[in-house]
Amino acid sequence: GQNIDQPTEMTATEGAIVQINCTYQTSGFNGLFWYQQHAGEAPTFLSYNVLDGLEEKGRFSSFLSRSKGYSYLLLKELQMKDSASYLCSGISYNTDKLIFGTGTRLQVFP
Amino acid sequence: EAGVTQFPSHSVIEKGQTVTLRCDPISGHDNLYWYRRVMGKEIKFLLHFVKESKQDESGMPNNRFLAERTGGTYSTLKVQPAELEDSGVYFCASSRVRGGEQFFGPGTRLTVL
Repeated sequence: GQNIDQPTEMTATEGAIVQINCTYQTSGFNGLFWYQQHAGEAPTFLSYNVLDGLEEKGRFSSFLSRSKGYSYLLLKELQMKDSASYLCSGISYNTDKLIFGTGTRLQVFP
Repeated sequence: EAGVTQFPSHSVIEKGQTVTLRCDPISGHDNLYWYRRVMGKEIKFLLHFVKESKQDESGMPNNRFLAERTGGTYSTLKVQPAELEDSGVYFCASSRVRGGEQFFGPGTRLTVL
């Protein structure tokens, strides 16, 4: 199988840093995507890691270790608008379908 | 550039009825995907079109679901007859290249009573 696991819920304080972890079975994925989804809206692309290492994009960074089947999304200088669900998803080697985790619902408090 | 659009945004139907969902991908995107999220579960893949051809329909739950993309532009997903377990949010996504970023639409929330 190609299970993806991530925490169901997390809370953090405005201005803080939060790391959302994602683990997956190592076979079958060509890369990891992170999407942000606000309630009732479309998932929006945050990052894509195909190689090991850290990809930084403004306040958001994403890390991938293919050998360990591990990724994380790092959010810095949290803002209230960052309250949303964060979806970790892998893309298959031989198909283009995204395999999603259940998502991590992040609540940012003042 | 307009994003992926879906119609309707909400649909409430009775068990046994038929519903057709529509997706308009971003212009120029040959790849179109349908996904579904039922309550409390993760988003799951249904199928993938490349232009008008079905590339992968391994996620379609059963033969009550029929997806089409005539002309390689917009796509429809028909559920006939609808069952209670079909309730959920149906997302459409498109991408310019295979394996690239998939842009999602806002989804259609389907409720089967």
